[in-house]
Amino acid sequence: AQTVTQSQPEMSVQEAETVTLSCTYDTSESDYYLFWYKQPPSRQMILVIRQEAYKQQNATENRFSVNFQKAAKSFSLKISDSQLGDAAMYFCAYRSGNSDKIIFGKGTRLHILP
Amino acid sequence: GAGVSQSPSNKVTEKGKDVELRCDPISGHTALYWYRQSLGQGLEFLIYFQGNSAPDKSGLPSDRFSAERTGGSVSTLTIQRTQQEDSAVYLCASSLLVNPQYFGPGTRLTVL
Repeated sequence: AQTVTQSQPEMSVQEAETVTLSCTYDTSESDYYLFWYKQPPSRQMILVIRQEAYKQQNATENRFSVNFQKAAKSFSLKISDSQLGDAAMYFCAYRSGNSDKIIFGKGTRLHILP
Repeated sequence: GAGVSQSPSNKVTEKGKDVELRCDPISGHTALYWYRQSLGQGLEFLIYFQGNSAPDKSGLPSDRFSAERTGGSVSTLTIQRTQQEDSAVYLCASSLLVNPQYFGPGTRLTVL
């Protein structure tokens, strides 16, 4: 069975600095998708970024980028120029290419220090 | 609608009562998911629907929990004889094919 592990329950970063959130996953499949979701205090889950496993190029969305290491089964999220509004719980998620089910990690709570 | 909606946004009930939570997915989304999130915790998968059928019910914690989806659209999650450990935020999400899930704002359930 697939699993998603986020080893950092909490992290803090100074405003305007860069932070990297870790995520590893375990799968025997070759076709899958990976996601990072953000959940601010409002509890609304928001998709931050998505990566298809068949793509070698790392996905980027403005200040958010990933480091996708397929062989190592690692999918870290880098947030550049951190802003106060980035404070939230961040969840890493995995979806098989042949299933609708998405598996979430336990999350990393990110604090932004002014 | 523009996004996934859930109702009610908050529900307070007494132990032993039944509750129904509703989810309206994004129009046209074929897959619908229910998750439970306890305070400060991650997402616990409950069930998902593809159309009106539920290929995976493995996450339902007990037979007090059931869900249905009608017309390939609205879904209702029912919890019978609620217990205090059922208190949580219940999140609904929908998606189309291999696209990402889009989440609703959740229903906060409090069982007294």
